[in-house]
Amino acid sequence: RKEVEQDPGPFNVPEGATVAFNCTYSNSASQSFFWYRQDCRKEPKLLMSVYSSGNEDGRFTAQLNRASQYISLLIRDSKLSDSATYLCVVNGGGRRALTFGSGTRLQVQP
Amino acid sequence: GAGVSQTPSNKVTEKGKYVELRCDPISGHTALYWYRQSLGQGPEFLIYFQGTGAADDSGLPNDRFFAVRPEGSVSTLKIQRTERGDSAVYLCASSLSGLAGGGETQYFGPGTRLLVL
Repeated sequence: RKEVEQDPGPFNVPEGATVAFNCTYSNSASQSFFWYRQDCRKEPKLLMSVYSSGNEDGRFTAQLNRASQYISLLIRDSKLSDSATYLCVVNGGGRRALTFGSGTRLQVQP
Repeated sequence: GAGVSQTPSNKVTEKGKYVELRCDPISGHTALYWYRQSLGQGPEFLIYFQGTGAADDSGLPNDRFFAVRPEGSVSTLKIQRTERGDSAVYLCASSLSGLAGGGETQYFGPGTRLLVL
């Protein structure tokens, strides 16, 4: 079983739609949580950090449920430019390295 | 300002050959990480440097892989006797200190695409 599990998708949604991605992690000692965005043939870039209290950045909302070891990302009013792979990432448990999920691919269609 | 840079951007080699991949981190970043990303997968950790020393090399798949960072800045990932299964994108990342409980942002370079024929 992978340490971070995500639905690979693809999620095909029309412009303006709301879409939600989920992931689960197995290491209960994980301390930091992130969503990274990766465009095709590009490097991953930090989208946002995820906190237990939830956090919002414009159209993006991230949530962490430590009890269930579950992380979510909600994108409202999808834009064509949101098309990318979204990587769920955890960190900690004694390690500095990031542990990535396999990513969820989003395709926003006109 | 300059981000993380990696050279070469692409490398094609033959099975059994030796390759070196270079990473130049963001100036002033003491922590440096190497990851490997295969098609359809997320990046997987290889090795982490704090300054000049390898603080965690638990992700290196076998002893054909080795990395150095002799002056605490540029790092080189070295792969001996390459195999077809080594084909992947090798990503380098850096962060300011690596000491903030793991919550620091890691900034990734564009990667080196390695193809072993």
